[in-house]
Amino acid sequence: EDKVVQSPLSLVVHEGDTVTLNCSYEVTNFRSLLWYKQEKKAPTFLFMLTSSGIEKKSGRLSSILDKKELSSILNITATQTGDSAIYLCGLHGSSNTGKLIFGQGTTLQVKP
Amino acid sequence: EPEVTQTPSHQVTQMGQEVILRCVPISNHLYFYWYRQILGQKVEFLVSFYNNEISEKSEIFDDQFSVERPDGSNFTLKIRSTKLEDSAMYFCASSRDSDTQYFGPGTRLTVL
Repeated sequence: EDKVVQSPLSLVVHEGDTVTLNCSYEVTNFRSLLWYKQEKKAPTFLFMLTSSGIEKKSGRLSSILDKKELSSILNITATQTGDSAIYLCGLHGSSNTGKLIFGQGTTLQVKP
Repeated sequence: EPEVTQTPSHQVTQMGQEVILRCVPISNHLYFYWYRQILGQKVEFLVSFYNNEISEKSEIFDDQFSVERPDGSNFTLKIRSTKLEDSAMYFCASSRDSDTQYFGPGTRLTVL
Protein backbone atom coordinates (compact mmCIF):
# COMPACT_ATOMS: atom_id res chain seq x y z
CA GLU A 1 0.00 0.00 0.00
CA ASP A 2 1.31 3.44 -0.93
CA LYS A 3 2.31 5.56 2.05
CA VAL A 4 3.55 9.09 2.76
CA VAL A 5 5.28 10.28 5.94
CA GLN A 6 6.20 13.89 6.57
CA SER A 7 8.62 15.31 9.09
CA PRO A 8 8.75 17.21 11.26
CA LEU A 9 5.07 17.33 12.19
CA SER A 10 5.47 20.89 13.42
CA LEU A 11 8.09 23.57 13.34
CA VAL A 12 8.40 27.03 14.86
CA VAL A 13 10.92 29.46 13.39
CA HIS A 14 11.55 33.19 13.29
CA GLU A 15 11.24 35.42 10.27
CA GLY A 16 14.30 35.21 8.10
CA ASP A 17 15.11 31.61 8.99
CA THR A 18 15.45 28.89 6.36
CA VAL A 19 13.40 25.72 6.80
CA THR A 20 13.53 22.28 5.23
CA LEU A 21 10.48 20.06 5.25
CA ASN A 22 10.75 16.36 4.50
CA CYS A 23 8.50 13.90 2.75
CA SER A 24 9.25 10.17 2.56
CA TYR A 25 7.18 7.70 0.65
CA GLU A 26 6.64 4.04 -0.10
CA VAL A 27 5.12 3.23 -3.45
CA THR A 28 4.81 0.36 -5.86
CA ASN A 29 4.63 2.50 -8.98
CA PHE A 30 5.69 6.15 -8.69
CA ARG A 31 4.05 8.74 -10.92
CA SER A 32 4.59 12.10 -9.22
CA LEU A 33 4.88 13.87 -5.89
CA LEU A 34 3.07 17.12 -5.19
CA TRP A 35 3.51 19.79 -2.53
CA TYR A 36 0.62 21.92 -1.33
CA LYS A 37 0.28 24.78 1.14
CA GLN A 38 -2.84 24.70 3.29
CA GLU A 39 -3.69 27.90 5.09
CA LYS A 40 -7.23 28.33 6.31
CA LYS A 41 -8.95 25.92 3.99
CA ALA A 42 -8.03 24.66 0.52
CA PRO A 43 -4.65 23.16 -0.25
CA THR A 44 -3.01 25.40 -2.85
CA PHE A 45 -0.65 23.83 -5.33
CA LEU A 46 3.07 24.54 -5.02
CA PHE A 47 5.08 22.00 -7.00
CA MET A 48 4.82 18.74 -8.89
CA LEU A 49 7.93 16.59 -9.06
CA THR A 50 8.41 13.66 -11.37
CA SER A 51 12.15 13.43 -12.02
CA SER A 52 14.91 12.92 -9.51
CA GLY A 53 17.46 15.68 -8.94
CA ILE A 54 15.67 18.47 -10.80
CA GLU A 55 14.92 21.38 -8.53
CA LYS A 56 11.67 23.23 -8.90
CA LYS A 57 11.75 26.82 -7.70
CA SER A 58 9.21 29.55 -7.08
CA GLY A 59 10.49 32.64 -5.34
CA ARG A 60 11.76 31.67 -1.91
CA LEU A 61 10.37 28.13 -2.19
CA SER A 62 12.12 25.23 -3.84
CA SER A 63 11.70 21.50 -3.92
CA ILE A 64 13.59 18.47 -5.13
CA LEU A 65 12.89 14.77 -5.45
CA ASP A 66 15.27 11.92 -4.66
CA LYS A 67 13.85 8.70 -6.09
CA LYS A 68 16.74 6.65 -4.78
CA GLU A 69 16.00 7.76 -1.22
CA LEU A 70 12.22 7.76 -1.85
CA SER A 71 11.95 11.28 -0.51
CA SER A 72 11.48 14.92 -1.31
CA ILE A 73 12.32 18.14 0.48
CA LEU A 74 10.67 21.52 0.41
CA ASN A 75 12.91 24.46 1.27
CA ILE A 76 11.74 27.90 2.25
CA THR A 77 14.39 30.60 2.56
CA ALA A 78 14.03 33.96 4.33
CA THR A 79 10.75 32.85 5.90
CA GLN A 80 7.98 35.37 6.45
CA THR A 81 4.93 35.25 8.73
CA GLY A 82 2.82 34.64 5.63
CA ASP A 83 4.57 31.30 5.18
CA SER A 84 2.81 30.03 8.31
CA ALA A 85 0.64 27.15 7.12
CA ILE A 86 0.38 23.39 6.92
CA TYR A 87 2.51 21.98 4.11
CA LEU A 88 1.16 18.81 2.55
CA CYS A 89 2.99 16.24 0.52
CA GLY A 90 0.82 14.19 -1.83
CA LEU A 91 1.86 11.08 -3.70
CA HIS A 92 0.44 10.11 -7.05
CA GLY A 93 1.41 6.49 -6.97
CA SER A 94 0.19 3.10 -8.02
CA SER A 95 -3.28 4.21 -9.00
CA ASN A 96 -3.65 5.57 -12.55
CA THR A 97 -6.80 7.49 -11.66
CA GLY A 98 -4.99 10.50 -10.22
CA LYS A 99 -5.72 9.59 -6.61
CA LEU A 100 -3.39 11.42 -4.20
CA ILE A 101 -2.20 9.90 -0.94
CA PHE A 102 -1.31 12.63 1.54
CA GLY A 103 1.03 12.73 4.49
CA GLN A 104 0.03 14.13 7.86
CA GLY A 105 1.40 17.52 6.95
CA THR A 106 4.00 19.76 8.56
CA THR A 107 2.64 22.71 10.50
CA LEU A 108 5.00 25.65 10.11
CA GLN A 109 4.71 28.68 12.35
CA VAL A 110 6.86 31.69 11.52
CA LYS A 111 7.15 34.18 14.35
CA PRO A 112 7.93 37.86 13.73
CA GLU B 1 -7.14 32.64 -12.95
CA PRO B 2 -9.72 29.83 -13.07
CA GLU B 3 -10.45 28.12 -9.80
CA VAL B 4 -12.54 25.34 -8.33
CA THR B 5 -15.56 26.60 -6.41
CA GLN B 6 -17.66 24.79 -3.82
CA THR B 7 -21.00 25.46 -2.18
CA PRO B 8 -22.06 25.75 0.53
CA SER B 9 -19.05 26.74 2.57
CA HIS B 10 -20.65 25.31 5.70
CA GLN B 11 -23.49 22.81 6.00
CA VAL B 12 -25.09 21.78 9.27
CA THR B 13 -27.40 18.80 9.20
CA GLN B 14 -29.10 16.33 11.51
CA MET B 15 -27.94 12.73 11.66
CA GLY B 16 -29.79 10.60 9.11
CA GLN B 17 -30.45 13.49 6.72
CA GLU B 18 -29.26 13.60 3.14
CA VAL B 19 -26.78 16.26 2.05
CA ILE B 20 -25.53 17.31 -1.35
CA LEU B 21 -22.23 19.10 -1.64
CA ARG B 22 -21.65 21.01 -4.85
CA CYS B 23 -18.52 21.76 -6.81
CA VAL B 24 -17.79 23.58 -10.05
CA PRO B 25 -14.45 22.30 -11.38
CA ILE B 26 -12.15 24.29 -13.65
CA SER B 27 -13.84 24.36 -17.03
CA ASN B 28 -11.39 22.46 -19.25
CA HIS B 29 -10.58 19.82 -16.66
CA LEU B 30 -11.54 16.21 -17.23
CA TYR B 31 -10.75 14.50 -13.92
CA PHE B 32 -12.67 15.20 -10.74
CA TYR B 33 -12.12 14.15 -7.16
CA TRP B 34 -13.54 14.36 -3.70
CA TYR B 35 -11.39 14.27 -0.58
CA ARG B 36 -12.24 14.76 3.04
CA GLN B 37 -10.33 15.97 6.06
CA ILE B 38 -11.57 15.20 9.53
CA LEU B 39 -10.41 17.89 11.96
CA GLY B 40 -6.76 17.39 12.84
CA GLN B 41 -6.31 14.44 10.49
CA LYS B 42 -4.91 13.76 7.03
CA VAL B 43 -6.59 14.69 3.79
CA GLU B 44 -8.15 11.40 2.61
CA PHE B 45 -9.15 10.37 -0.89
CA LEU B 46 -12.81 9.48 -1.38
CA VAL B 47 -13.45 9.09 -5.11
CA SER B 48 -12.20 9.94 -8.58
CA PHE B 49 -14.44 10.51 -11.57
CA TYR B 50 -13.60 10.56 -15.25
CA ASN B 51 -15.62 10.25 -18.44
CA ASN B 52 -18.87 10.30 -16.50
CA GLU B 53 -18.08 7.40 -14.28
CA ILE B 54 -16.28 6.58 -11.06
CA SER B 55 -12.71 5.51 -11.82
CA GLU B 56 -11.69 4.70 -8.26
CA LYS B 57 -13.22 4.88 -4.81
CA SER B 58 -11.82 4.38 -1.33
CA GLU B 59 -13.15 2.15 1.44
CA ILE B 60 -14.71 5.23 2.99
CA PHE B 61 -16.89 5.72 -0.09
CA ASP B 62 -19.57 3.18 0.79
CA ASP B 63 -23.16 2.85 -0.43
CA GLN B 64 -24.16 5.99 1.45
CA PHE B 65 -22.05 8.09 -0.91
CA SER B 66 -22.65 8.89 -4.54
CA VAL B 67 -21.27 11.35 -7.08
CA GLU B 68 -22.79 12.89 -10.13
CA ARG B 69 -21.96 15.32 -12.89
CA PRO B 70 -25.50 16.35 -13.70
CA ASP B 71 -25.00 19.08 -16.28
CA GLY B 72 -21.45 19.23 -17.60
CA SER B 73 -20.30 21.88 -15.14
CA ASN B 74 -21.34 20.83 -11.63
CA PHE B 75 -19.90 17.87 -9.77
CA THR B 76 -21.80 16.77 -6.69
CA LEU B 77 -21.22 14.52 -3.71
CA LYS B 78 -24.32 13.12 -2.03
CA ILE B 79 -24.37 11.50 1.38
CA ARG B 80 -27.68 9.66 1.72
CA SER B 81 -27.99 9.26 5.47
CA THR B 82 -25.40 11.25 7.36
CA LYS B 83 -23.65 9.92 10.44
CA LEU B 84 -21.84 11.84 13.15
CA GLU B 85 -18.53 10.57 11.81
CA ASP B 86 -19.19 12.17 8.42
CA SER B 87 -18.45 15.55 10.01
CA ALA B 88 -15.41 16.82 8.15
CA MET B 89 -14.16 19.29 5.56
CA TYR B 90 -14.93 18.01 2.07
CA PHE B 91 -12.69 19.15 -0.75
CA CYS B 92 -13.41 18.91 -4.43
CA ALA B 93 -10.46 18.88 -6.82
CA SER B 94 -10.04 18.78 -10.56
CA SER B 95 -7.22 18.20 -13.00
CA ARG B 96 -6.77 18.36 -16.75
CA ASP B 97 -4.67 15.24 -17.13
CA SER B 98 -4.82 13.33 -13.82
CA ASP B 99 -1.61 15.00 -12.66
CA THR B 100 -1.74 18.41 -10.98
CA GLN B 101 -4.92 18.70 -8.97
CA TYR B 102 -6.44 22.01 -7.97
CA PHE B 103 -8.54 22.10 -4.86
CA GLY B 104 -11.65 24.06 -4.02
CA PRO B 105 -12.09 25.95 -0.75
CA GLY B 106 -14.02 23.10 0.84
CA THR B 107 -17.38 22.56 2.48
CA ARG B 108 -17.38 22.11 6.23
CA LEU B 109 -20.04 19.51 7.04
CA THR B 110 -21.27 19.33 10.61
CA VAL B 111 -23.57 16.44 11.52
CA LEU B 112 -25.49 16.87 14.79
